[in-house]
Amino acid sequence: DVKVTQSSRYLVKRTGEKVFLECVQDMDHENMFWYRQDPGLGLRLIYFSYDVKMKEKGDIPEGYSVSREKKERFSLILESASTNQTSMYLCASSFYERFGTSAKETQYFGPGTRLLVL
Amino acid sequence: QQPVQSPQAVILREGEDAVINCSSSKALYSVHWYRQKHGEAPVFLMILLKGGEQKGHDKISASFNEKKQQSSLYLTASQLSYSGTYFCGTEDAGGTSYGKLTFGQGTILTVHP
Repeated sequence: DVKVTQSSRYLVKRTGEKVFLECVQDMDHENMFWYRQDPGLGLRLIYFSYDVKMKEKGDIPEGYSVSREKKERFSLILESASTNQTSMYLCASSFYERFGTSAKETQYFGPGTRLLVL
Repeated sequence: QQPVQSPQAVILREGEDAVINCSSSKALYSVHWYRQKHGEAPVFLMILLKGGEQKGHDKISASFNEKKQQSSLYLTASQLSYSGTYFCGTEDAGGTSYGKLTFGQGTILTVHP
């Protein structure tokens, strides 16, 4: 079974703090993704990575950065947390055919981190 | 732009059927369906690739009409365990997507005894 783990289930931080969210997958997947989930808005992509040290902006990258130094680990960084970043953060990973162009396998999600910024 | 799901919410009694729709303004290569229970991670249900193939799993099936850029999820003879929020994730056709999905806003399904 694919396993995607996230470092914390719940996190409380203060405005202005630097926040690190960690995600680890054990299936040797090339792709990793960070989403935030808010009621009525579904899942929105923040950043994704298709290889080590490679990253692409998603739909809402402002206020976030990412790091992928090892294939199995993808970190989301909130440089200076703000109250509007209070949300559920979900990490996902998927297989990617290196010479293909599309997803033939789906994404597998971690349990999520519920972040509250005070 | 996010795909649009309809309805936003549906309430059923056990044994009833439901259809959830997902509509995109873009040409699509694939549609992925997930179910998320409260406090849990989204769980993959099925993937539909370009070609209009209809897939099924137990009493849940789905179709994909790439000409209309629409997909529908069919839940028949619903069970209490079907309750949750259903999401469609769409992959744009053309170019290199790297498997990137854009998710709809979700449909809340509640099944009562």
